[in-house]
Amino acid sequence: GEDVEQSLFLSVREGDSSVINCTYTDSSSTYLYWYKQEPGAGLQLLTYIFSNMDMKQDQRLTVLLNKKDKHLSLRIADTQTGDSAIYFCAESTDSGNTPLVFGKGTRLSVIA
Amino acid sequence: KAGVTQTPRYLIKTRGQQVTLSCSPISGHRSVSWYQQTPGQGLQFLFEYFSETQRNKGNFPGRFSGRQFSNSRSEMNVSTLELGDSALYLCASSLGQGYQETQYFGPGTRLLVL
Repeated sequence: GEDVEQSLFLSVREGDSSVINCTYTDSSSTYLYWYKQEPGAGLQLLTYIFSNMDMKQDQRLTVLLNKKDKHLSLRIADTQTGDSAIYFCAESTDSGNTPLVFGKGTRLSVIA
Repeated sequence: KAGVTQTPRYLIKTRGQQVTLSCSPISGHRSVSWYQQTPGQGLQFLFEYFSETQRNKGNFPGRFSGRQFSNSRSEMNVSTLELGDSALYLCASSLGQGYQETQYFGPGTRLLVL
């Protein structure tokens, strides 16, 4: 079945870049997403990439997709303390019609 | 536009009771999905409604049910609550047209079953 894997923890210093990695197993994954969850809150959509793209940049966020290795990464440039949160990678084969399959989330801690 | 809203935000129930949670999607969105988030299992899909019809269903027992109204608002119901039903229940909305869409999540309802 579908599976999405992420490392559980990442710690970086303020001002450094953070790279959060994700691997997925479903080769028919068409849409890949990054969500952010702050304590006590719901999920905030950060960015997404479609399988026909290799890279997407949005301000401090860069998403890289390696379809051959089924590997997705999220790079946060100039990481700030406000970026401390849990980051979820999710995939879907047909956005809007099929459910999202989530990884367990990576807890990012930013040290001042 | 207002975001996805969920009520109530917090709920405490006892085993055996039932509970109803409500979700109002973003205006114009016709698809509403429900997810359960627990520390052990992570985020798991419950079901999705589109135009008042259940379009997708996850692997949850029949105690979990839902419905959608003509204004796209959705409710989910859990009957005969068990301790393991304690979780954050998230709802997400999307246009539902199925092409290059994204799902937007509400703040969730935190349910504690004692």
